[in-house]
Amino acid sequence: DTEVTQTPKHLVMGMTNKKSLKCEQHMGHRAMYWYKQKAKKPPELMFVYSYEKLSINESVPSRFSPECPNSSLLNLHLHALQPEDSALYLCASSQGGNQPQHFGDGTRLSIL
Amino acid sequence: AQKVTQAQTEISVVEKEDVTLDCVYETRDTTYYLFWYKQPPSGELVFLIRRNSFDEQNEISGRYSWNFQKSTSSFNFTITASQVVDSAVYFCALSEAAGRRALTFGSGTRLQVQP
Repeated sequence: DTEVTQTPKHLVMGMTNKKSLKCEQHMGHRAMYWYKQKAKKPPELMFVYSYEKLSINESVPSRFSPECPNSSLLNLHLHALQPEDSALYLCASSQGGNQPQHFGDGTRLSIL
Repeated sequence: AQKVTQAQTEISVVEKEDVTLDCVYETRDTTYYLFWYKQPPSGELVFLIRRNSFDEQNEISGRYSWNFQKSTSSFNFTITASQVVDSAVYFCALSEAAGRRALTFGSGTRLQVQP
């Protein structure tokens, strides 16, 4: 079992739907991350939160909206997604800096 | 700009064979960190090792060993006596000590260990 929990594990949604991905960690980590991973590709960084503040946004389209309600939770709100947004979305946390990132199992997202 | 190259797209071995996964990196920083992650079919990335640029000692952990050579900008990973459970995609990654400190991943090497 991973120490970073992501829900749901699978999500199918239409292009007009609004949904949210959730991520939770109880390791006391101060940095949390969202990655997008397409099949047979490495993870691509989307957002980084440090001490609950957004520190990196990799020019992600506004149809993806991150939120960090507290130090243990990270959400990714989805709205009006496109079929090319279908991917595995991975959440990670770390102590920050260059400490190892610990990943969740991911949410497999399919856009119809 | 930093870059990580894993030239081996896919490797297939028979159980108990030794296998080495190559990783070559580029960075302008003198201080940086290198990582290896394993991604089994279930999807999660499992952290294996972190190495900083000032520590060139090789490391061994059970059947796993890592060879860091700054002179050739390489950080190779060897699995001794491979097992079916080692089948996964392995990613090498780099982060710089300052600035964004975000992970730059290589393209990954898919390892298939046949029984």
